[in-house]
Amino acid sequence: DIQVTQSPSSLSASIGDRVTITCRAGQSISNYLNWYQQKPGKAPKLLIYAASNLQSGVPSRFGGSGSGTDFTLTISSLQPEDFATYYCQQSYITPLTFGGGTKVEIK
Amino acid sequence: QVQLVESGGGVVQPGRSLRVSCATSGFFFKSYSMHWVRQTPGKGLEWVAVVSSDGTDEYYADSVRGRFTISRDNSKNMVFLQMNSLRAEDTAVYYCARVYCSTPSCSQGMDVWGQGTTVTVSS
Repeated sequence: DIQVTQSPSSLSASIGDRVTITCRAGQSISNYLNWYQQKPGKAPKLLIYAASNLQSGVPSRFGGSGSGTDFTLTISSLQPEDFATYYCQQSYITPLTFGGGTKVEIK
Repeated sequence: QVQLVESGGGVVQPGRSLRVSCATSGFFFKSYSMHWVRQTPGKGLEWVAVVSSDGTDEYYADSVRGRFTISRDNSKNMVFLQMNSLRAEDTAVYYCARVYCSTPSCSQGMDVWGQGTTVTVSS
């Protein structure tokens, strides 16, 4: 199975801050890496697919980069509605695996 | 509009069975592989199973292989998860999700999710 390790597990940030979350895969997964946002009591929402492609309807302040084993989700200017938990997920091979999540909290 | 609606969750005793369903609408179902993902209360996401768009391929997480079976009915635009020999650790919210891909693994993400159905395994 491909392990996917996310960091940090939580962070505190202020409105307007630039936020970066990283995800590392246990082996090369090309660009088969997706990012999701989840708010309490809600289903996850796809933000970025194939490492760097912005899902339709997602604000352009969200961006993804990386390939191989190292990936990054960046929020260029944190907004109030961005406080949530973020997950990466590899879709390269089954069993598909999710990172442990990063909770973004208000400083 | 595009919708996925799960149903069939509930409270079940350890060792018993339960089938959860996911009814879909608003898109061409046969073009999508369908996944089940679960989330234990207060914890992260765990992928459970996938069925290919034509229903011929199925893959499972190690934790459920041999106990759970995923299937789909392309005439009814529905996907199912039959859960046998349930354990306390299967207690979770179960989500169905779609991926625009004919195969179980590809670069597309899970772009539409249902609201989830809660399964509680307890005596």
